Amino acid sequence: KAGVTQTPRYLIKTRGQQVTLSCSPISGHRSVSWYQQTPGQGLQFLFEYFSETQRNKGNFPGRFSGRQFSNSRSEMNVSTLELGDSALYLCASSSPEAGGFLQETQYFGPGTRLLVL
Amino acid sequence: SQQGEEDPQALSIQEGENATMNCSYKTSINNLQWYRQNSGRGLVHLILIRSNEREKHSGRLRVTLDTSKKSSSLLITASRAADTASYFCATARSGNTPLVFGKGTRLSVIA
Repeated sequence: KAGVTQTPRYLIKTRGQQVTLSCSPISGHRSVSWYQQTPGQGLQFLFEYFSETQRNKGNFPGRFSGRQFSNSRSEMNVSTLELGDSALYLCASSSPEAGGFLQETQYFGPGTRLLVL
Repeated sequence: SQQGEEDPQALSIQEGENATMNCSYKTSINNLQWYRQNSGRGLVHLILIRSNEREKHSGRLRVTLDTSKKSSSLLITASRAADTASYFCATARSGNTPLVFGKGTRLSVIA
């Protein structure tokens, strides 16, 4: 099976703009999670979608939003970008054999590196 | 907030030596997982150990879990230059709650 894919891989935006990142989970995986990774804060959970519904949410402002489509592909949107949003954004999916639960093994994509100038 | 804290933050060893990384956490867990991340790329799952397990092996990896001390260790035996990466522990609590990652140990294996 193909792994988790993320597009684009690199992105440069300026403050105030908005950005949309895309993630395609492993075929058959219905849970998709998003994480932000920065040198200062490490890996932080943004949100999780399962069957097109947000099932869990981390402690991020409302500028960060997401959605999931019927084919399990997910998008994450950040509006009104700030310098501090520069980070590696990682998407992960979990296996239905594990119940699709967040606490089971997560399969990560390669990430989208976002630079906000 | 980080639940898992890895120790040391950075580790440099010669090829062929063993590398040991430790992880401490604060609350009760369902399982603990270790992941590897090569520079600026996605995380790769290495091993998952459940709260009722004490030790697990996978190839050159050995993970131990001591729930009484709320700590885990990852041992990589006979390290190779390709093992150079950052290693993260992640704790999972009960219920469908997200993994909480530590800040990682940066391992450098020198050929």
